[in-house]
Amino acid sequence: KQEVTQIPAALSVPEGENLVLNCSFTDSAIYNLQWFRQDPGKGLTSLLLIQSSQREQTSGRLNASLDKSSGRSTLYIAASQPGDSATYLCAARRGTGKLIFGQGTTLQVKP
Amino acid sequence: DTEVTQTPKHLVMGMTNKKSLKCEQHMGHRAMYWYKQKAKKPPELMFVYSYEKLSINESVPSRFSPECPNSSLLNLHLHALQPEDSALYLCASSQGGRGRTGQGFIQYFGAGTRLSVL
Repeated sequence: KQEVTQIPAALSVPEGENLVLNCSFTDSAIYNLQWFRQDPGKGLTSLLLIQSSQREQTSGRLNASLDKSSGRSTLYIAASQPGDSATYLCAARRGTGKLIFGQGTTLQVKP
Repeated sequence: DTEVTQTPKHLVMGMTNKKSLKCEQHMGHRAMYWYKQKAKKPPELMFVYSYEKLSINESVPSRFSPECPNSSLLNLHLHALQPEDSALYLCASSQGGRGRTGQGFIQYFGAGTRLSVL
């Protein structure tokens, strides 16, 4: 059974810092891994999707990496801004199409 | 346009009421999803529709009844709900289909319906 874990559960940093969010999964037989952002009381916004054959994906200040052999993915946020404050969720996709979500990391970036 | 629209935004209902949640997308996506999210928890998959056919039902109680009338619309009919069913209900869509490429797996979410059952 696939389990997805995110560490830390919460993170508070000053504006301008570079930071790394971690996601680990127990079953390396994944189709892809997706990172989402969720603002309080809102839906999810897809940030990056990494296929199982890829090592990383980049979008603006965001970079996500995937290491299937170690069961890990990281989301790197460069030069953090207060607008980056949100909950970040990673989700591993199984062959059935089902997404298995981690519990999320709640990020606060202080001005 | 990557918009998934959900209505209503908020819904309060009694345990004997019948109500429906609606989800709409015009991106030509052929896979649509219902998720339930409790406070401070990740979303939990409820149903998946692929080409208007139900492909996954995650053992959801029968008081939740999904319907996909056409490729753009997904409904969730609610009847005789319990207070513990109070949650944020999220709809999502993705390209679906055998011809999809890697980025075609991306799921696009609506803003959700905040449901309170009294």
